[in-house]
Amino acid sequence: DQQVKQNSPSLSVQEGRISILNCDYTNSMFDYFLWYKKYPAEGPTFLISISSIKDKNEDGRFTVFLNKSAKHLSLHIVPSQPGDSAVYFCAAPLQGGNTDKLIFGTGTRLQVFP
Amino acid sequence: GAGVSQSPSNKVTEKGKDVELRCDPISGHTALYWYRQSLGQGLEFLIYFQGNSAPDKSGLPSDRFSAERTGGSVSTLTIQRTQQEDSAVYLCASSFQRTSRIEFFGPGTRLTVL
Repeated sequence: DQQVKQNSPSLSVQEGRISILNCDYTNSMFDYFLWYKKYPAEGPTFLISISSIKDKNEDGRFTVFLNKSAKHLSLHIVPSQPGDSAVYFCAAPLQGGNTDKLIFGTGTRLQVFP
Repeated sequence: GAGVSQSPSNKVTEKGKDVELRCDPISGHTALYWYRQSLGQGLEFLIYFQGNSAPDKSGLPSDRFSAERTGGSVSTLTIQRTQQEDSAVYLCASSFQRTSRIEFFGPGTRLTVL
């Protein structure tokens, strides 16, 4: 059972336009969400996060929106740049025990073309 | 180095052989995580070490997998009698303490089992 889902494996966007990456989750106990960016042959890098007490968090060109009733979050990148081309993962910590295990989606490959 | 390092970067092995993957966390980080990413999948939690506490091994897929962390620093993930389904990128991460926001991942070891 995949608790975090990214249903779009890829997205192609023109430079300067908005990129919207989507993520859905099934576990209503999730109260914190993260987005990571991953370049080939590198580890994921943390990008932005949001707590369930908020519905929006903005950091420069990156904004994450959370719709708790729909169990849906999205990452907006505007304006998109070629350097944003990477795989983006959403994740949520499964709290319990002595570990906050991160549950990751399968990722969306973003390609920003000139 | 300043970041999490992993070795080897690539490992090709024959089915049935044992492999060892190494992770050097950031100095002073007490928490260490192993994840893996199989083709077309998200990152999957394997094991978590926190200080001197017993590790959380709940993500290890079978008893062929084991990990240790010596002296609270370097960690080794061992896979015995490798199978083709073990082929994946194995990622290590570390953090200063238990956290929901893992910021420091290593570049990963790409394991290919022939």
